[in-house]
Amino acid sequence: GENVEQHPSTLSVQEGDSAVIKCTYSDSASNYFPWYKQELGKRPQLIIDIRSNVGEKKDQRIAVTLNKTAKHFSLHITETQPEDSAVYFCAASKGGSYIPTFGRGTSLIVHP
Amino acid sequence: DVKVTQSSRYLVKRTGEKVFLECVQDMDHENMFWYRQDPGLGLRLIYFSYDVKMKEKGDIPEGYSVSREKKERFSLILESASTNQTSMYLCASSTGTGGTYEQYFGPGTRLTVT
Repeated sequence: GENVEQHPSTLSVQEGDSAVIKCTYSDSASNYFPWYKQELGKRPQLIIDIRSNVGEKKDQRIAVTLNKTAKHFSLHITETQPEDSAVYFCAASKGGSYIPTFGRGTSLIVHP
Repeated sequence: DVKVTQSSRYLVKRTGEKVFLECVQDMDHENMFWYRQDPGLGLRLIYFSYDVKMKEKGDIPEGYSVSREKKERFSLILESASTNQTSMYLCASSTGTGGTYEQYFGPGTRLTVT
């Protein structure tokens, strides 16, 4: 089955810095890669996703890049703010399947 | 606005008790999921269902069972609770309509087994 590795497990940055979270996946058939954000005490929510026919996708301060050859994808957050502090999960699933395999999560801490 | 609700936010049960966790979604989603969330281990899939009365094992089904008698409701059952089942349990739903697979999560149930 699919295996998703996520790094780092913890990331501490100063407000205004950029943050990058990286994930690798094992199944070359995977073609849908969502990212979820879970604030403390709240439920995970989708913040951005990318499909394998796209190399990069941006939404304001967040962007996701995908390298199909290397089987890795990354979340980039620019100009970080304290409200970006949360646990971020990457996931991968393959065409026609609605069942994602999640990474173990990255705890992002943004210091004011 | 999709709403996924879970029957309890916090639950304390004794070892050996039978425990029921309920999840209800109001968006007519076909797919429903139960996850367990533990620090450092991420979201691990226990069971999922793609239709009424249908269920499939996820990655960690041992010690759990599920029931889906109605489309909007998906129940997780711990037949005989054990201390190693102390965890946060998250329910989620999704639809494949339009090629979107976004998962909508419930608020979670923190279960403590003593």
